[in-house]
Amino acid sequence: SQQGEEDPQALSIQEGENATMNCSYKTSINNLQWYRQNSGRGLVHLILIRSNEREKHSGRLRVTLDTSKKSSSLLITASRAADTASYFCATGSFSGGTSYGKLTFGQGTILTVHP
Amino acid sequence: NAGVTQTPKFRVLKTGQSMTLLCAQDMNHEYMYWYRQDPGMGLRLIHYSVGEGTTAKGEVPDGYNVSRLKKQNFLLGLESAAPSQTSVYFCASSLQGYSYEQYFGPGTRLTVT
Repeated sequence: SQQGEEDPQALSIQEGENATMNCSYKTSINNLQWYRQNSGRGLVHLILIRSNEREKHSGRLRVTLDTSKKSSSLLITASRAADTASYFCATGSFSGGTSYGKLTFGQGTILTVHP
Repeated sequence: NAGVTQTPKFRVLKTGQSMTLLCAQDMNHEYMYWYRQDPGMGLRLIHYSVGEGTTAKGEVPDGYNVSRLKKQNFLLGLESAAPSQTSVYFCASSLQGYSYEQYFGPGTRLTVT
């Protein structure tokens, strides 16, 4: 199964509400990244949190990381219709013997924000 | 800066045909990647490159080949297309490896009939 698994698979909210998406993973990581994908487009990086960080903010985004529970959450506050997209978490971990390591994407959460 | 560009945007192939997808980046990134995205499967890494002249296999490399003759370009080839290769293909690049954000291209939608 995927290293990062998002929950819920789909989320539908009204404009102005907060949206929370969760990501769980199985093995130790170096960092966890969140990406957004609008329909028919490529992924766009939102935020990166390293394993020694617990919380990070970027505008209306708040990401938390709990390495003891192997989980992360992405909170979007005061959502807008333009936030409608799929959101993916990706876990970065070192893979012995390679310089690249490994960035593994989850299956994503589809967020729909109704005007 | 154009970022990461991919050509073509759409392509339909018959089984057994070959084609090459081109990815170009203008950010002087060392690392480049090819992913495929299928419904319910997330993104899966096909091949990647850690620098000019290097390539390596990812999670699902069978049926694909790659080349990185120039630092800014990363080519993905399908020698004999199969219906199972119907997918959306994304190229990405990053300054270095897994500790850095990846920049994605707009994708190529490939259908193999």
